[in-house]
Amino acid sequence: DTEVTQTPKHLVMGMTNKKSLKCEQHMGHRAMYWYKQKAKKPPELMFVYSYEKLSINESVPSRFSPECPNSSLLNLHLHALQPEDSALYLCASSLAGPLLVPDTQYFGPGTRLTVL
Amino acid sequence: AQSVAQPEDQVNVAEGNPLTVKCTYSVSGNPYLFWYVQYPNRGLQFLLKYITGDNLVKGSYGFEAEFNKSQTSFHLKKPSALVSDSALYFCAVIPRGGGNKLTFGTGTQLKVEL
Repeated sequence: DTEVTQTPKHLVMGMTNKKSLKCEQHMGHRAMYWYKQKAKKPPELMFVYSYEKLSINESVPSRFSPECPNSSLLNLHLHALQPEDSALYLCASSLAGPLLVPDTQYFGPGTRLTVL
Repeated sequence: AQSVAQPEDQVNVAEGNPLTVKCTYSVSGNPYLFWYVQYPNRGLQFLLKYITGDNLVKGSYGFEAEFNKSQTSFHLKKPSALVSDSALYFCAVIPRGGGNKLTFGTGTQLKVEL
């Protein structure tokens, strides 16, 4: 089973709202990722967690706050977003973090976020 | 810095014909190479990867790709296209020693017509 689940599927929020995106996997993967994807564009890496510790932050604005409560869960907390933050937010996981041989990343279906 | 090029924004092919989606890379050494497919309003699905060994890699749904070191290419191929193959395809690369950070190409929209 190579399933990564994400909730909610769709989210509409105002610029003053606080919301959270959730990602879950039960494949025993120890690396988890957040990506942002605009329409017809490649995904852009935002954050990487390896063994529940933040290992990469791609200079993402502080209005995006990641959290990894345990090895199966990854959250992305959103606060005071801008309309340009509207995008598809993808979660991915892989067996392990930076090792000699990189492992395949498996993606969830994404959360379609609209910021009004 | 590493980069991945997908020179065609869109590829059109008739159902039943062979298809090729091109990918070239600019990475020092022998990188790790991946292909992903994305259907509308969905996440990315892994198709195949090249790590080492045989240059011809077979993947999901009848797709295959050939690693060509001299041409720094990793083109995706399928002998007989299906309408259901119509989707957005991404090539991606991780350089040796580059951890697990994927660098994606710009994507190629494949349209298979009857």
